Amino acid sequence: EDKVVQSPLSLVVHEGDTVTLNCSYEVTNFRSLLWYKQEKKAPTFLFMLTSSGIEKKSGRLSSILDKKELFSILNITATQTGDSAVYLCAAGGTSYGKLTFGQGTILTVHP
Amino acid sequence: NAGVTQTPKFRILKIGQSMTLQCTQDMNHNYMYWYRQDPGMGLKLIYYSVGAGITDKGEVPNGYNVSRSTTEDFPLRLELAAPSQTSVYFCASETRTGDYGYTFGSGTRLTVV
Repeated sequence: EDKVVQSPLSLVVHEGDTVTLNCSYEVTNFRSLLWYKQEKKAPTFLFMLTSSGIEKKSGRLSSILDKKELFSILNITATQTGDSAVYLCAAGGTSYGKLTFGQGTILTVHP
Repeated sequence: NAGVTQTPKFRILKIGQSMTLQCTQDMNHNYMYWYRQDPGMGLKLIYYSVGAGITDKGEVPNGYNVSRSTTEDFPLRLELAAPSQTSVYFCASETRTGDYGYTFGSGTRLTVV
């Protein structure tokens, strides 16, 4: 059975801090690892990673994949209160586009 | 705006009632999915479809049924609602396999009492 595990489950920081969110996966025929941000409603896409060791960046957010260790991290630098959300990691391992989601990390950023 | 439209946004059902969650997309996407998200949890796949007339079970299909008579519509049917089906339901679509370029609907919050 495919599995995605995220840690920590919740994190409370202050503005300006840097955070690292972790995601490990066990997925048959792994193809891609995706990160989403969820605020109240539907998840919004952040990154998709398919190759090991290549960092993807978008502003203060970055992510990297380690296919040997079956692991990915999401870094957020200089956090802001607007970064408060649930961050979901998902892995795709079939040819039909199905995703297996982790349970999410709840990030709370205090002013 | 183009995208995935889910209705209703909220619903309260009594145990044993039935209902259909509607999902429509106007992007001509072949692949469509239904996920549920329980509090503090990630999304779990209920059913998916790779095209009109083709559906298959996901991870948690029990208590649900789907149909895909057209490319645009992918309704999710709950026949005998149970408290365990209290959840937020998301429909998603994508243009082709392997891309994982999901477009999510805004979700339906269902409470079964």
